[in-house]
Amino acid sequence: NAGVTQTPKFQVLKTGQSMTLQCAQDMNHNSMYWYRQDPGMGLRLIYYSASEGTTDKGEVPNGYNVSRLNKREFSLRLESAAPSQTSVYFCASSEADRANYGYTFGSGTRLTVV
Amino acid sequence: DAKTTQPPSMDCAEGRAANLPCNHSTISGNEYVYWYRQIHSQGPQYIIHGLKNNETNEMASLIITEDRKSSTLILPHATLRDTAVYYCIVRAWGTSGSRLTFGEGTQLTVNP
Repeated sequence: NAGVTQTPKFQVLKTGQSMTLQCAQDMNHNSMYWYRQDPGMGLRLIYYSASEGTTDKGEVPNGYNVSRLNKREFSLRLESAAPSQTSVYFCASSEADRANYGYTFGSGTRLTVV
Repeated sequence: DAKTTQPPSMDCAEGRAANLPCNHSTISGNEYVYWYRQIHSQGPQYIIHGLKNNETNEMASLIITEDRKSSTLILPHATLRDTAVYYCIVRAWGTSGSRLTFGEGTQLTVNP
């Protein structure tokens, strides 16, 4: 099925370890996004890429870096994981970074930092 | 983007219509109203969006008041699978720098 694919689905890290969350979409969308969701809360935007070759900070960028590898792929990196980064991470894509286009979300990566 | 207010929770009987309200009294003329839902920690799913006219698709109807200060999402025949958190979001049209911003939403529970 067409959509947004995230890997891995689950991950446990020790404090200070690094890892990269992968996201790929096959809908030829221009814009991609990374959100995090803490228990009982709404999603918060970490970083986004309005188009290939550009990235910008969202609401909660500290502790993260991103790479828009190509039009399909947008990765999120944690350089030195902290327990406060325990969360569910969602990637999304949109045809364009404009209000009249909706987002398609992946199924999430559940990350626990111990 | 304008802030929205939703009730934290609602219940609905299976087979009945579910009417989810949203207040967005500070909405601007160029802002769309979007609805998404999230079923049990899955990724959010797009439902519907509108600017000022009422909208209907295969999932739901969106009723926006004439002054655009509030809206109602209607699920005409709720099923148990409609149990989810529903997010009402307003988002400016025509700007390149407008992302979806999620609040805490309404937890809809559909009861047998």
